[in-house]
Amino acid sequence: GESVGLHLPTLSVQEGDNSIINCAYSNSASDYFIWYKQESGKGPQFIIDIRSNMDKRQGQRVTVLLNKTVKHLSLQIAATQPGDSAVYFCAEMEFGGADGLTFGKGTHLIIQP
Amino acid sequence: GAGVSQSPRYKVAKRGQDVALRCDPISGHVSLFWYQQALGQGPEFLTYFQNEAQLDKSGLPSDRFFAERPEGSVSTLKIQRTQQEDSAVYLCASSVGAGGLEQYFGPGTRLTVT
Repeated sequence: GESVGLHLPTLSVQEGDNSIINCAYSNSASDYFIWYKQESGKGPQFIIDIRSNMDKRQGQRVTVLLNKTVKHLSLQIAATQPGDSAVYFCAEMEFGGADGLTFGKGTHLIIQP
Repeated sequence: GAGVSQSPRYKVAKRGQDVALRCDPISGHVSLFWYQQALGQGPEFLTYFQNEAQLDKSGLPSDRFFAERPEGSVSTLKIQRTQQEDSAVYLCASSVGAGGLEQYFGPGTRLTVT
């Protein structure tokens, strides 16, 4: 079946550097994408979303890029801080399709001091 | 403001017992979702409510799983005759409108079936 997946299970970056977390999706009909941050023992925390009619969206210290041609989504975190350590999930939804989000397996972001 | 809350945070059940998990969504949110998250995996969709109507229950893994939202606010996920494979974190999410954009999650209930 179609699914959303991630290229790397673990990403280690130096504090202060920029982080880029990647996500590949296979459902070409997906209309909406979200990035979530999940810390141990907590529920997923909404970071940023993007619709399929856009290719870039910026938030506070974060940017999401969408490349529909190659079905690729990325999350860029500027000036990574220790508090950014968490598992990051991308999720997708097709409007008019199944009602829930389809999540990937997650990337564990580790911040080195 | 208050976010999504879930109770209990932890539940241990013996195999064969029934459990009930509660979700209090953000006030005024129309849509409510239940997800199941196995250890080390992403959440998987179980069911969706728009107000009190259960519009999608395609993700419920068996007829032992039942969810309700009778007054369009609080929701309960019930699992009958629990099995070990039901052990997981059960997450609830809500969104302000219909359709599921910008879903905000609660902290989850960790269910352990022994």
